[in-house]
Amino acid sequence: EPEVTQTPSHQVTQMGQEVILRCVPISNHLYFYWYRQILGQKVEFLVSFYNNEISEKSEIFDDQFSVERPDGSNFTLKIRSTKLEDSAMYFCASSEGTANEKLFFGSGTQLSVL
Amino acid sequence: AQSVTQLDSHVSVSEGTPVLLRCNYSSSYSPSLFWYVQHPNKGLQLLLKYTSAATLVKGINGFEAEFKKSETSFHLTKPSAHMSDAAEYFCVVNAGGFKTIFGAGTRLFVKA
Repeated sequence: EPEVTQTPSHQVTQMGQEVILRCVPISNHLYFYWYRQILGQKVEFLVSFYNNEISEKSEIFDDQFSVERPDGSNFTLKIRSTKLEDSAMYFCASSEGTANEKLFFGSGTQLSVL
Repeated sequence: AQSVTQLDSHVSVSEGTPVLLRCNYSSSYSPSLFWYVQHPNKGLQLLLKYTSAATLVKGINGFEAEFKKSETSFHLTKPSAHMSDAAEYFCVVNAGGFKTIFGAGTRLFVKA
C-alpha cells in the first residue's frame, strides 16, 4: 500500500528557532493536511491544503505557522519561532478527495522544543 | 458544530474475549465517521469508515462498527481480541469541509 513519508522522525530545537517538518504525500493525492498531538492530548487539526493554497485552518495555525508545496512532491510545515508549547507529534496526511475520503497518515515527526 | 466523545480512556480485555470501544458523535449534518488505530511509535492507520452507505461497516483485522443515528453512536467491536490489537484507537468525525475532528482516544490493553 502507498505511504505518506515524514522526515525527520524526531526533531529537537531550541526555543525561538525555526523548524521545517517535511512530508512526501502519496503521489496521486490532491489534498494535504497537518495535524498535531501534544503528549496526552487529542489529535488536533492544523491546516488543509489544496491546489497550492490553504483551504482551511484551525485557530492553532497562527502567523508562526506556514505550509508550502515547493516542488510538486514535498509538503512542508514551517514554524518560524518555536515555543515550548509547540512540542508535539506532528502528523502529515493526504487524501485523493476531501476529508470524507480515506486519510493516509505518515508516522509523524516528534518535535521537542527546549 | 461537530464533536466526538470516546467514552472510555482505557479498556482492558483478555485475549480471545470481545472488544467494545465506544464512540458518540454530535453533528449538524450527516457525518462521515472513521476509526483509526495508532500502534506505539507508528502513524495512524484507518480501520474502517462510514459514509452513509451500510450502517454496519466492516474493517481490517476483524473489526467492525455500527452507525446508529438514533443513538448518535459509532461503537467499534471485535469478537475476539488478539495481543496485537493492543494500541490507541481514535474515533473521528467529519461533517463537511476539510476539518476532521478526533476523539480523545481509547487505549486498549489485551491481557494474555
